[in-house]
Amino acid sequence: DVKVTQSSRYLVKRTGEKVFLECVQDMDHENMFWYRQDPGLGLRLIYFSYDVKMKEKGDIPEGYSVSREKKERFSLILESASTNQTSMYLCASSSSFGSYEQYFGPGTRLTVT
Amino acid sequence: KNQVEQSPQSLIILEGKNCTLQCNYTVSPFSNLRWYKQDTGRGPVSLTIMTFSENTKSNGRYTATLDADTKQSSLHITASQLSDSASYICVVSEQENNDMRFGAGTRLTVKP
Repeated sequence: DVKVTQSSRYLVKRTGEKVFLECVQDMDHENMFWYRQDPGLGLRLIYFSYDVKMKEKGDIPEGYSVSREKKERFSLILESASTNQTSMYLCASSSSFGSYEQYFGPGTRLTVT
Repeated sequence: KNQVEQSPQSLIILEGKNCTLQCNYTVSPFSNLRWYKQDTGRGPVSLTIMTFSENTKSNGRYTATLDADTKQSSLHITASQLSDSASYICVVSEQENNDMRFGAGTRLTVKP
C-alpha cells in the first residue's frame, strides 16, 4: 500500500515565524503535491514537483515555497507565517505512469496566531 | 468559477437510508473523474475512478455514475452506515495535462 506521511498532525505557530511542513512517500512516486483545504473552497494546489529539485507553482503559491532535495520528500515552507495561512495542509504523491491517482497524507492542521 | 461544482454542500441522513451526491463539471477535454472520501481530520481516499467510456462503477455500497455528454456524475450510497459520515470530493482530470480540478465537497452526516 502507498504510504504518505506528514510530519505533524497539528501545528500552532505565531505570525512571522518560519514554518516547515514535511511530507514523505514510500512508493517511489515521481510527482508530489501540496494543497491547502479550507471550508467551502475544497482543495487548492499550492505547488507541485515532478522530479527531484523540480517545482512548479500551483494555483495559490503566494507566501509559500517548496523544496524537493530527495525523491521521497517534499517540503512546504512558509517563510513568514500569517493568520490567513491557517488551514489544513495536505500532501499527495502520484506516479507518472498508469492512472495518475494521487495518494494523500493525513494532513497537517496549521493554526497561525 | 470553479470547474467542478458539487451539491448539496452538506447532507444529514438517518442510518440505513440511501442518498445521492451530485457533481457537475465543465473541465474539458475530460480525462477521468474520481470520487474521494475524506474522514474528518484525514486525507482523502479514492473510492472510484471513471473514464469517458464508463458510465457506472461500484465499490461496495458506493455506486458512481457518469454522463460525459451532460458532464454530470453522481455518487449513490446504499444503506448508509455511521462510518459513511465524511466529506465526499469529486475530482475531474483534464486530458492534456492531467491537471486535477477539485470540487468543494459534500459533507455527509449519518445519524443513528
